[in-house]
Amino acid sequence: GQSLEQPSEVTAVEGAIVQINCTYQTSGFYGLSWYQQHDGGAPTFLSYNALDGLEETGRFSSFLSRSDSYGYLLLQELQMKDSASYFCAVESDYKLSFGAGTTVTVRA
Amino acid sequence: DVKVTQSSRYLVKRTGEKVFLECVQDMDHENMFWYRQDPGLGLRLIYFSYDVKMKEKGDIPEGYSVSREKKERFSLILESASTNQTSMYLCASSSQRGTFFGPGTRLTVL
Repeated sequence: GQSLEQPSEVTAVEGAIVQINCTYQTSGFYGLSWYQQHDGGAPTFLSYNALDGLEETGRFSSFLSRSDSYGYLLLQELQMKDSASYFCAVESDYKLSFGAGTTVTVRA
Repeated sequence: DVKVTQSSRYLVKRTGEKVFLECVQDMDHENMFWYRQDPGLGLRLIYFSYDVKMKEKGDIPEGYSVSREKKERFSLILESASTNQTSMYLCASSSQRGTFFGPGTRLTVL
């Protein structure tokens, strides 16, 4: 089966940089993706890494190392609206399995 | 824009009832998923389907079944609802561009 580990909570101030790490164990790995979920809302897709390296999308970047079974999501220039839960998810053999999520709290 | 819709936002059912949760996507995606989300547990995969009439068990399929008669529609069935199935149910569909979720159905079983 699949297992994913990510921190449960992170707190930072506006303008700061936050890195959310994700380690995983799976067979038949295709890629690692990241999702944001605000309270009461559905998860929304942020980024996807199938190959090693960094993918940048505006203030958010995602990194993958397949050999280390490790990835991270980098949130830069934090804004209050970035307060949300962030999930990493592993795609393998048509399945998409999620971690338990990291709650990011941004303080003024 | 990709749109994934779910038949109900809120649903209240009684123990033992048969419950149908419907999900429809309009982007011709082959892969569709059903998850439940509970506090502290993240999203847990119940069932998924990678083609019409194909279905695969996820991590927690017990007490659930699914149906995919048409590509755009993926239904989750609770054969006999129990109180431990009270949860938020999320449907998703995916392509190479990413995975897109419906708004969720909050099901309460009394």
